[in-house]
Amino acid sequence: DGGITQSPKYLFRKEGQNVTLSCEQNLNHDAMYWYRQDPGQGLRLIYYSQIVNDFQKGDIAEGYSVSREKKESFPLTVTSAQKNPTAFYLCASKAGTGAGNQPQHFGDGTRLSIL
Amino acid sequence: AQRVTQPEKLLSVFKGAPVELKCNYSYSGSPELFWYVQYSRQRLQLLLRHISRESIKGFTADLNKGETSFHLKKPFAQEEDSAMYYCALKGSQGNLIFGKGTKLSVKP
Repeated sequence: DGGITQSPKYLFRKEGQNVTLSCEQNLNHDAMYWYRQDPGQGLRLIYYSQIVNDFQKGDIAEGYSVSREKKESFPLTVTSAQKNPTAFYLCASKAGTGAGNQPQHFGDGTRLSIL
Repeated sequence: AQRVTQPEKLLSVFKGAPVELKCNYSYSGSPELFWYVQYSRQRLQLLLRHISRESIKGFTADLNKGETSFHLKKPFAQEEDSAMYYCALKGSQGNLIFGKGTKLSVKP
């Protein structure tokens, strides 16, 4: 089903390189989130944005950057400062801002590996 | 501190047996809890949330504030229930705080 599209599905990063993961949603959701999923670790919050032109750091923001120039787009850049980038990255969105009872909807994810 | 604990990494049951996936949380306010499921090669999706008090695919979960638990239960497991299950707590900024997940394997 549509809604949230993440691309690419697989991404490889060379040492010292920055790479950007795309996340687009057509659900007209205000809030968007980036999570990192590692085996045995569950999902951990990297960054989130509750409204256009605003975003906040999550629990593991170091080595990552984001932008929210458009409501439907929330790209994540994995910078060279992130020393252990190999993981599965999930983007999510949610209607409403701040507290609310709406569930988050997730994309299919991007698997990032180091060359 | 806001935290979700899923004590079992792997739970293996036979088809037709009852299943209970445990989830405990730590939260100072009034919690909102969810169960998400990830089937093989599919995206993470919402299974149920405590506020709806619903039963999805035969699964139920009751919030027990005294025990700070939100265990997921199903009386008769099916093979198609095999998946990764995540318990999640809504954080103060609308984000989700996830447990580490429990892999459910239902054997024929």
